[in-house]
Amino acid sequence: GESVGLHLPTLSVQEGDNSIINCAYSNSASDYFIWYKQESGKGPQFIIDIRSNMDKRQGQRVTVLLNKTVKHLSLQIAATQPGDSAVYFCAENKGKAAGNKLTFGGGTRVLVKP
Amino acid sequence: DAGVTQSPTHLIKTRGQQVTLRCSPKSGHDTVSWYQQALGQGPQFIFQYYEEEERQRGNFPDRFSGHQFPNYSSELNVNALLLGDSALYLCASSPLGQGGDGYTFGSGTRLTVV
Repeated sequence: GESVGLHLPTLSVQEGDNSIINCAYSNSASDYFIWYKQESGKGPQFIIDIRSNMDKRQGQRVTVLLNKTVKHLSLQIAATQPGDSAVYFCAENKGKAAGNKLTFGGGTRVLVKP
Repeated sequence: DAGVTQSPTHLIKTRGQQVTLRCSPKSGHDTVSWYQQALGQGPQFIFQYYEEEERQRGNFPDRFSGHQFPNYSSELNVNALLLGDSALYLCASSPLGQGGDGYTFGSGTRLTVV
C-alpha cells in the first residue's frame, strides 16, 4: 500500500508494550480534540475524543490525556498489537460555528515490532 | 452499509490541467468536507458543503472549487494544476452539526501532478 507519510516522527514499540503518542496544540480556546489512526492506503479513522472540561478519557485499550495548562494531548495505547501500526494524528475540532472542521497535527508513525 | 466512496483512487495529471474528484457520502450523511493531505503531513481542510452550498472554506485559492448534488454526493475541482497540488485528497461525510466520531473519511484520491 501507499505510505501516508515518509518523514514523520516514528515511535518503535515492542508488541505487548504500551505506546504513548504526544501532541501539542496552540489555540487555548480549543475545546474538542480527537485522535485519528491512518493506515497505509486508507483515510483517517476515529479512535477517541475528549472535550476541554475533561482531563482523561478511556476507551478500549486507549486513553487520552489532556493537559490544558501546557496545551498538551497524549494518546496511550495499552498492550500494543501489530494491527496498531499506523500513523496517528491529533486534531482540533473548531466547533459547530466553523462547521466542525478539523485542524490536524503533523502525525506520528507507530511501528510495532514482533 | 457502504462508507464514504471516492473516485478515482489514483490520478496523474500534467501541470496546467484541470481535475475533478468525486465523493459519495456515507448513507444518512448530508454534509461533505474535503481535505488535502500532502505526503508526510496531516490533512488540511479545503471546504465543506451542505445543502448544495459551500458553508466553510479553508485557506485554499480559488483554483479549488466544489459542488454538492441533491443526492449529497460531491465533486472537488482543481484548475490550473501546480506540482504542489500533488497530494492525497480526502473526503469526509457527517450528519450536519456532528464532528469527531460523526466524521467518516474515505480512502482518498491520490493526485500526482507532473
